[in-house]
Amino acid sequence: DSGVTQTPKHLITATGQRVTLRCSPRSGDLSVYWYQQSLDQGLQFLIQYYNGEERAKGNILERFSAQQFPDLHSELNLSSLELGDSALYFCASSPRTGGLNTEAFFGQGTRLTVV
Amino acid sequence: AQTVTQSQPEMSVQEAETVTLSCTYDTSESDYYLFWYKQPPSRQMILVIRQEAYKQQNATENRFSVNFQKAAKSFSLKISDSQLGDAAMYFCAYYSTSYGKLTFGQGTILTVHP
Repeated sequence: DSGVTQTPKHLITATGQRVTLRCSPRSGDLSVYWYQQSLDQGLQFLIQYYNGEERAKGNILERFSAQQFPDLHSELNLSSLELGDSALYFCASSPRTGGLNTEAFFGQGTRLTVV
Repeated sequence: AQTVTQSQPEMSVQEAETVTLSCTYDTSESDYYLFWYKQPPSRQMILVIRQEAYKQQNATENRFSVNFQKAAKSFSLKISDSQLGDAAMYFCAYYSTSYGKLTFGQGTILTVHP
């Protein structure tokens, strides 16, 4: 158990809908990362938050947004869903943005299926 | 932007043998971290080994070791005495201390034959 909790584990929804994925980082970790992994593909970096502030942005679509709340949990919002958005969405957390303890711990992922 | 390349989509090894997975990266930074992650069929991401760029000594973790060539921007993973449980997708990853971003390669599927 990595200590990172993602809910829900599975999600099936229709095209055009909006969903929210939730991530609770490990206790004390300030950084949260979101990644998308399509079938048999690598991990695409979406976005990173550090202590409530957006820290880095990757290939995140405009239909997607995220935020990190004061209690450090994070939510990834996906709207106007398309079939191609079906993927495994990972959240990871790390203690800080850099330094000797840099290491990302991953949650189990949320498997999103758009039908 | 940093990029990570894993040129071997698939590799196979016999149980108890040694296998090396390749990874190269492109960066203009001098301070960064490199990782190898393992993703078994359960899809959980598991950290295998970590290397700090400022350290010349190659990292080792039990049967796992790396060959870090900073000038060549190469970071290969060697798995010794391969076990059936080592079968998984392996991802090489680069962490930018400047941007706080962890970038992954496309992954290498490792099959272990009994």
